[in-house]
Amino acid sequence: NAGVTQTPKFQVLKTGQSMTLQCAQDMNHEYMSWYRQDPGMGLRLIHYSVGAGITDQGEVPNGYNVSRSTTEDFPLRLLSAAPSQTSVYFCASSYRRTGNYGYTFGSGTRLTVV
Amino acid sequence: DAKTTQPTSMDCAEGRAANLPCNHSTISGNEYVYWYRQIHSQGPQYIIHGLKNNETNEMASLIITEDRKSSTLILPHATLRDTAVYYCIVPTQGGSEKLVFGKGTKLTVNP
Repeated sequence: NAGVTQTPKFQVLKTGQSMTLQCAQDMNHEYMSWYRQDPGMGLRLIHYSVGAGITDQGEVPNGYNVSRSTTEDFPLRLLSAAPSQTSVYFCASSYRRTGNYGYTFGSGTRLTVV
Repeated sequence: DAKTTQPTSMDCAEGRAANLPCNHSTISGNEYVYWYRQIHSQGPQYIIHGLKNNETNEMASLIITEDRKSSTLILPHATLRDTAVYYCIVPTQGGSEKLVFGKGTKLTVNP
């Protein structure tokens, strides 16, 4: 049981490049979410999903795309990287039922856009 | 998510109990209170959650007032490794799939 796995752990991009941050969970969780955390700041929700084929926007969705083709995977795509997207990105997953046992977070992807 | 209010920072001596308060006066009847913490640079970690009754697990205790408008997270014997930002979150009823973090409380455990 690996929990939530994020890859890569570190990435440097040039402005304008695109890339996909991978997130996979092996706990059969219905809910999955992506957050970003800028230095000294709190976590902000980018996109989330309540199940395969269903996604929705969070607080800061601009510049990011997501899809959920399987229960296990929830990749985050940066369409055209900008320096403002330099951040630490966390993926999280949870069971669906109310009063569930909370979200499990990955260890993060540290992205620098130059 | 229902609005929560937490102190910006708190200090605690190692080995003593750390009591972290949270106000959630607009909480609805079926909304749970969740606590998470984030140790520097790591992903947030779920600690505990509750609805009405007090809860205890291997990490902490959660005390919820009878009117449910506030709660307290208790770390019974704080260690240096408990230094972290602690978040109190009340997901909106029917919206527990969307977890929105506030600023939390920075707890510093001092030797």
